[in-house]
Amino acid sequence: KNEVEQSPQNLTAQEGEFITINCSYSVGISALHWLQQHPGGGIVSLFMLSSGKKKHGRLIATINIQEKHSSLHITASHPRDSAVYICAALRGSNYKLTFGKGTLLTVNP
Amino acid sequence: NAGVTQTPKFRILKIGQSMTLQCTQDMNHNYMYWYRQDPGMGLKLIYYSVGAGITDKGEVPNGYNVSRSTTEDFPLRLELAAPSQTSVYFCASSPTPGRTNEKLFFGSGTQLSVL
Repeated sequence: KNEVEQSPQNLTAQEGEFITINCSYSVGISALHWLQQHPGGGIVSLFMLSSGKKKHGRLIATINIQEKHSSLHITASHPRDSAVYICAALRGSNYKLTFGKGTLLTVNP
Repeated sequence: NAGVTQTPKFRILKIGQSMTLQCTQDMNHNYMYWYRQDPGMGLKLIYYSVGAGITDKGEVPNGYNVSRSTTEDFPLRLELAAPSQTSVYFCASSPTPGRTNEKLFFGSGTQLSVL
């Protein structure tokens, strides 16, 4: 079993819908990253958070360290949000990240 | 700033050949990493470095070598390429681990095929 699990694996939405992607982890962590990977491969770091909530534009990330769960929300989704979203858990002092397998989001116009 | 520059973007190797994937960052980051991404799998750490002259193995180091002679450069060497090394490789860097708002910066990736 992967230490970091994402759900759903695939998500199709209509433009304007509210999107939620979930990330659960089975080990203690100090922080969690959310990443975005567009078709063609480039990976962009969206958030790093260790508690509470962070917001950037239409993206909101939340984390509950005790419940070992994080969510990424996209409000008013747009076709340009179509990408793979990856969560990665940070453990220990050596900055070793354990990555989820990603959620493929497709937003249709 | 160019960020993290990774070359080449694509490469086809024959079994047994060797090559070096180049990675350079101009952000004065201490931490640098090499990952591989296989279809349907999460990124796996190959090697990482916490500063010039210091490197350590990640989850999947076999068949690879790295060096870190400067803060800027972190090349990944493949010796005796094997089909199992067909993957997409990403270099990344970060300033300091574990602090809030410290993000990872990725290169654009290298698609490597070993035939």
